[in-house]
Amino acid sequence: SQKIEQNSEALNIQEGKTATLTCNYTNYSPAYLQWYRQDPGRGPVFLLLIRENEKEKRKERLKVTFDTTLKQSLFHITASQPADSATYLCAHQPDSGNTPLVFGKGTRLSVIA
Amino acid sequence: NAGVTQTPKFQVLKTGQSMTLQCAQDMNHEYMSWYRQDPGMGLRLIHYSVGAGITDQGEVPNGYNVSRSTTEDFPLRLLSAAPSQTSVYFCASSPWGSPNNEQFFGPGTRLTVL
Repeated sequence: SQKIEQNSEALNIQEGKTATLTCNYTNYSPAYLQWYRQDPGRGPVFLLLIRENEKEKRKERLKVTFDTTLKQSLFHITASQPADSATYLCAHQPDSGNTPLVFGKGTRLSVIA
Repeated sequence: NAGVTQTPKFQVLKTGQSMTLQCAQDMNHEYMSWYRQDPGMGLRLIHYSVGAGITDQGEVPNGYNVSRSTTEDFPLRLLSAAPSQTSVYFCASSPWGSPNNEQFFGPGTRLTVL
């Protein structure tokens, strides 16, 4: 069955640097990949979606890429700030309908001042 | 709009007790779902619904029941609570046919089963 894997459980980076988080999937390419942010004690919040025919999507300091050859999505936060510290989740949706999302386990990002 | 609301925020149950976790949304979303989140396990789908009167099972449905009598409400029932159901439960909704299929999550219910 299709799996979504976020290989790093935790990532620590220095303020001002670019944080790069990885999401890998097995088997077939999902039609969409979504990225969410989750703060402690709160529900996840949607950040970005990228389609399989898109190579890159940007939103302010966030950038997501989708490489169907590597079966991987990268999530970048440029000029990172301590306020970016949170857990980031990627989620896979196999087609364009409202099929259930499958989430990765998340990467906990800590931006150190 | 209040978005997605969940009650209660915290609950402690004894093994064998039953209870219902409430979820409501005021965005007229067709799609609603329940996830549980456990340390090291990520978010796992319990049940979902694509509209009133329609529900389906997710990855971990055992021990849970759902119903969807209205578009707004999607309650999750634990019939006989077990310690393995200790978790944080999140309800989410999404507009049918949304080009982003963005999921809107509630604040969660933290459940402890003793």
